[in-house]
Amino acid sequence: SAVISQKPSRDICQRGTSLTIQCQVDSQVTMMFWYRQQPGQSLTLIATANQGSEATYESGFVIDKFPISRPNLTFSTLTVSNMSPEDSSIYLCSVGASGRSYGYTFGSGTRLTVV
Amino acid sequence: KQEVTQIPAALSVPEGENLVLNCSFTDSAIYNLQWFRQDPGKGLTSLLLIQSSQREQTSGRLNASLDKSSGRSTLYIAASQPGDSATYLCAVLAQGGSEKLVFGKGTKLTVNP
Repeated sequence: SAVISQKPSRDICQRGTSLTIQCQVDSQVTMMFWYRQQPGQSLTLIATANQGSEATYESGFVIDKFPISRPNLTFSTLTVSNMSPEDSSIYLCSVGASGRSYGYTFGSGTRLTVV
Repeated sequence: KQEVTQIPAALSVPEGENLVLNCSFTDSAIYNLQWFRQDPGKGLTSLLLIQSSQREQTSGRLNASLDKSSGRSTLYIAASQPGDSATYLCAVLAQGGSEKLVFGKGTKLTVNP
């Protein structure tokens, strides 16, 4: 299965600033997924990122707040913009080369605290 | 809308005990079900993947079962160890529409030495 390198692993940010999270995959994948996990909650899908096209956002998430880049088949970034304390969460990226057959692999997560 | 429920929310057991974690889902139209482990503040590690046509999968001390018709899965951990302490999440890959995982809220397991 794919190996994902995600960074930063954690950060403490001031409100009103932005943070960009990076995910690098060791193989080419068509779709990459970005999730948010709020404290004590399960994972919620933010968006699906396809190479060469705009990301598809889930209900409740918008591009202005969570812009995503997908410049090639092994790399993606998620930016959390104009942060507030409510954005404090763990953010994770995920890939599934063939999710139906082999399941999904996750990055190590970015623990974000907004103060 | 697919919903995934995990019971119990938390479980504390003495070392060496065998235990069962439960996962239920509302819509049986799934491709597969995946069990993950999450350590505090970290990402997810895949433990077992069960296809919709399968009944169970085993890896070491772990055994996962799937009853798709009743919308249930169990994760059995044999001879638990303190290193098993973590949150265990189950997720289903729902059929139809966009392909995405739906997660339960997890079971937080503590194994006491």
